Amino acid sequence: QSVLTQPPSVSAAPGQKDTISCSGSSSNIGSNDVSWYQQLPGTAPKLLIYENDKRPSGIPDRFSGSKSGTSATLGITGLQTGDEADYYCGTWDSSLSFWVFGGGTKLTVL
Amino acid sequence: QVHLQESGPGLVKPSETLSLTCTVSGGSVSDTNHYWSWIRQPPGKGPEWIGYVYYSGTTRYNPSLKSRVTVSVDTSRDQFSLKVNSVSAADTAVYYCARVAPTYSSGWFVNYFNLWGQGTLVIVSS
Repeated sequence: QSVLTQPPSVSAAPGQKDTISCSGSSSNIGSNDVSWYQQLPGTAPKLLIYENDKRPSGIPDRFSGSKSGTSATLGITGLQTGDEADYYCGTWDSSLSFWVFGGGTKLTVL
Repeated sequence: QVHLQESGPGLVKPSETLSLTCTVSGGSVSDTNHYWSWIRQPPGKGPEWIGYVYYSGTTRYNPSLKSRVTVSVDTSRDQFSLKVNSVSAADTAVYYCARVAPTYSSGWFVNYFNLWGQGTLVIVSS
């Protein structure tokens, strides 16, 4: 069971918008920055969002991140079939003193 | 462009030691702005952070693995390595090396992973 809680799956139609939530506690999300990773089938995870809401160069602005209290959210607009992937949130847990990932959310674009 | 590449045996026997190396190309493991980390992902599960090393040799580990894990760095070869002792089937996973962007707040810790290797599957089986 992960320290950070994500829905196991979400789905939406092409062109639509979807969000993925990541719920934690005061010792992790409530204290530290959150990052998001996209893992396309058969590939390594890739940084999608860092420091809650920043996008690395090359990541389209269809992807956005936000954080409020002990929860974070990844938003994706203009969904494409190429966005089908597993998405993981992550942050440092100051009480446990190590990095924690969420359990992951599988995005299906119907 | 910095590139990370894992290498090592794909099959390890139970109770033996798993050893992997990550080679940093297009950059340097002595980069003072980054740490270097190992992460693993069991089949069908989410990633698990193992630990990190700084070019100076400073390390930090996941407490659940700390007793069996060693991460080290070789600046002369631009490589960092992972050793996991006394492996069992539960250690079967894809192992990734990754570059860490650190942050400081009452100590240095991981802020995010901004570059990943392609990963290497290690199976623990007799």
